[in-house]
Amino acid sequence: SQQGEEDPQALSIQEGENATMNCSYKTSINNLQWYRQNSGRGLVHLILIRSNEREKHSGRLRVTLDTSKKSSSLLITASRAADTASYFCAPKGAGSYQLTFGKGTKLSVIP
Amino acid sequence: DVKVTQSSRYLVKRTGEKVFLECVQDMDHENMFWYRQDPGLGLRLIYFSYDVKMKEKGDIPEGYSVSREKKERFSLILESASTNQTSMYLCASTRGQGSADTQYFGPGTRLTVL
Repeated sequence: SQQGEEDPQALSIQEGENATMNCSYKTSINNLQWYRQNSGRGLVHLILIRSNEREKHSGRLRVTLDTSKKSSSLLITASRAADTASYFCAPKGAGSYQLTFGKGTKLSVIP
Repeated sequence: DVKVTQSSRYLVKRTGEKVFLECVQDMDHENMFWYRQDPGLGLRLIYFSYDVKMKEKGDIPEGYSVSREKKERFSLILESASTNQTSMYLCASTRGQGSADTQYFGPGTRLTVL
């Protein structure tokens, strides 16, 4: 399995601003998934982007994938206090049962 | 909606005790996983199971064992708890080995070993 590495480690923004976090990985993937974790809780799946896709949207979320650079970004537009959480990327290779999560980006949205 | 439940949200045990953490999923998923999460270290995979009675070691299996006697239930066992096993434990499940499978997580068990 391979691990994604999120950047920055922490991000603090005002409510209404956009938040961008990045993910880098090392080897080829079938897809890349993003998860959110509210403090002290389990992770929740947000969005999956396949290796043949470059951009995907889901509500206020926009994910991009650049396989040539082995990187992905997650953009949250018009952020809300409820978006305060840690965000993890999980690149998934072919034939693998498991995902390997990085340390995450801790996002704080200030009301 | 898939539901993954864990037997306890908070647990306090003493060093040397045998500890059982239970995880149950209600969507007939094939695969189940146990992670631990520690500050600064992220999530680390302890064990996973891709079928009943089947198990595979993850990245940090030492000090742990698992049991999967029924498809919906995956138990994590600490044979003799130690203080360095104080952590947040997260269970997850996926439908199958398909590359599009997403993981569904339980709410977590925060274990403190005194």
